[in-house]
Amino acid sequence: AQKVTQAQTEISVVEKEDVTLDCVYETRDTTYYLFWYKQPPSGELVFLIRRNSFDEQNEISGRYSWNFQKSTSSFNFTITASQVVDSAVYFCALSEASLGGNQFYFGTGTSLTVIP
Amino acid sequence: DTGVSQNPRHKITKRGQNVTFRCDPISEHNRLYWYRQTLGQGPEFLTYFQNEAQLEKSRLLSDRFSAERPKGSFSTLEIQRTEQGDSAMYLCASSPGSIVGTEAFFGQGTRLTVV
Repeated sequence: AQKVTQAQTEISVVEKEDVTLDCVYETRDTTYYLFWYKQPPSGELVFLIRRNSFDEQNEISGRYSWNFQKSTSSFNFTITASQVVDSAVYFCALSEASLGGNQFYFGTGTSLTVIP
Repeated sequence: DTGVSQNPRHKITKRGQNVTFRCDPISEHNRLYWYRQTLGQGPEFLTYFQNEAQLEKSRLLSDRFSAERPKGSFSTLEIQRTEQGDSAMYLCASSPGSIVGTEAFFGQGTRLTVV
């Protein structure tokens, strides 16, 4: 079974629009960790944000914000005032404490295109 | 440059040949990971090292695959008797490992094409 589901395959927005990327996860662990990574055309996965399962506080970091809801097993990621440089594939990932946090389960990614 | 370094960046090989990839993690990161990513998919876990010890291996890692991290620093991933299905991006990542659940930092990957 897929542990991380990103239902949005591709999204296109016009520059300066806000965009939210959805992520739904599945785990039986009570302690787990959630991540968002960005993969630009160059191919390197760039770490963006990390959240622990015991900290549901939502935060804003610059143009990035995230909404973590354990009740719905969702970890959505929002980019405010999108820019062309935000165009990339975004991956949501999960690691579980029962496995030592050593395996990352990635979703299939959401390809974001920001149109100038 | 203090990021994760992978070599080569691209490799084209004929079916049946052996290939070896190298990964140099971020200095002093004791955890090292190998992932495989095919087109349109997210990375899939292959194996994990804590220092020089290979502690976890995915079922995806067939007998033709072997990974080493002899001195707890750089790592190599070897694929023997390559098959066309091995064509993928092979990603290496490292993390400090001092705290469970820390993020991993990825290299730019080695793209393997088996013809």
